[in-house]
Amino acid sequence: EDQVTQSPEALRLQEGESSSLNCSYTVSGLRGLFWYRQDPGKGPEFLFTLYSAGEEKEKERLKATLTKKESFLHITAPKPEDSATYLCAVKGSSNTGKLIFGQGTTLQVKP
Amino acid sequence: DTGVSQDPRHKITKRGQNVTFRCDPISEHNRLYWYRQTLGQGPEFLTYFQNEAQLEKSRLLSDRFSAERPKGSFSTLEIQRTEQGDSAMYLCASTQGAGNEQFFGPGTRLTVL
Repeated sequence: EDQVTQSPEALRLQEGESSSLNCSYTVSGLRGLFWYRQDPGKGPEFLFTLYSAGEEKEKERLKATLTKKESFLHITAPKPEDSATYLCAVKGSSNTGKLIFGQGTTLQVKP
Repeated sequence: DTGVSQDPRHKITKRGQNVTFRCDPISEHNRLYWYRQTLGQGPEFLTYFQNEAQLEKSRLLSDRFSAERPKGSFSTLEIQRTEQGDSAMYLCASTQGAGNEQFFGPGTRLTVL
């Protein structure tokens, strides 16, 4: 069964304190790993798609990397506006294209 | 605004009542997905449409739930005889093709009293 586990569940950082969020997955036939940002009371906002081990994507202070078993979302010098829940999801070999999500990591960045 | 829209944004209902939610996907997207998200959890897949055809339903989707996508455009999700356990955020997402990223709407927050 396809499964995604994110850690830690919650993370508190000081502004400027870099860190990483982890997403471990088991899936038959990975067809994409996706990172989303979700603000309270809103729908998930797409950040990155990674398809193969070794791939990296960057956007502002965020960098996503992928191995055969896990993905990391690195946050460099975060700002308070980076505070949100970060969701990881995988798409397996099913033709539906449905996403299997982890439970998310809630990030709080204090000024 | 060319994003995914959902209506209503919030719905409060009494147990036993029926509710219906609407999702308008990005216009050129042929795939539409419904997910449910409870507090502190990631979204869980409910069902998906390719054009007007409903091609998969999760075991989470009991007989009280029904979804439609007439003419392959907007979609509706109806819950009959609501229960307190149905309280959640209902999210709609759309995409073009199976491998691409899904874009989510703002969600409908359902509270069943």
